[in-house]
Amino acid sequence: QSVLTQPPSVSGAPGQRVTISCTGSSYNIGAGYAVHWYQQVPGTGPKLLIYANDNRPLGVPDRFSGSKSGTSASLAISGLQAEDEADYYCQSYDSSLSGSVFGGGTKLTVL
Amino acid sequence: EVQLLESGGGLVQPGGSLRVFCAASGFTFSSHAMTWVRQAPGKGLEWVSGISTGGDTTYYADSVKGRFTISRDNSRNTLFLQMNSLRAEDTAVYYCATGQDGFWRYDSWGQGTLVTVSS
Repeated sequence: QSVLTQPPSVSGAPGQRVTISCTGSSYNIGAGYAVHWYQQVPGTGPKLLIYANDNRPLGVPDRFSGSKSGTSASLAISGLQAEDEADYYCQSYDSSLSGSVFGGGTKLTVL
Repeated sequence: EVQLLESGGGLVQPGGSLRVFCAASGFTFSSHAMTWVRQAPGKGLEWVSGISTGGDTTYYADSVKGRFTISRDNSRNTLFLQMNSLRAEDTAVYYCATGQDGFWRYDSWGQGTLVTVSS
C-alpha cells in the first residue's frame, strides 16, 4: 500500500488527452510539499518529467503538464503518442515518515 | 552530462551482506545530496536512503533502518550503500539518483544494479 495513491492503469488513443491522479494526505501533498512526476520505460531508469508540481525540465515536451490542489496532484498528457507508453510515478516528501514517498505507479497504454 | 553508474549487485543469501556503488560524473558530486531508490521485480519505486553533501546527515526508510548504511566519498565521486541482514524482500534493482533541489527531488538517475537475495 503506497502512501501516495495512483490508478494502476490508464489508456487513450493517439492524439487524445489523459490524466493521472495522485492522492496523498496532510503529511505530504496537503502539507504543501512539492510533487514530482517521473516516466519510466520498462528496463530503464526513471526520468524526471515534472518537478515542483507544474514545472517541466528542459527537453520535456509541453504536452506534459502537472497541477496540484489540496491533498492531490495530477499529470496530464495531451496529444498522446505511441512513445508515451510507459509507467508514471508521482513522488513527494512525507513529514510523518521523514522521507520521500512514491505513488504505486500508473501504466499508460496507448491504444 | 550527469552520469550515474551503479555496480556491485549480485546474488546473496538471506542474512548476508552486500555493498553497492554509484560512480558519479558530469557534475560537482560534492555539492549534491544523493539518494538510493529501489524497485522490486514488477513493482513500483521505493525510496531507500538519502545523504547530504558532506555525509553528515542521512535518512532511511523504516524498511531498511538499522540494516543499511549510506555513505559517500567525495574525493572519489562515489556513493555507497552497505546492506546487512539482507532479506528476500530486499530483492530489487537499486538506483542512485540526485537532483537540483536537496534530498527530495531526483533529476538524474542511473541505470540500476540488481540485488537478488535468495538461498
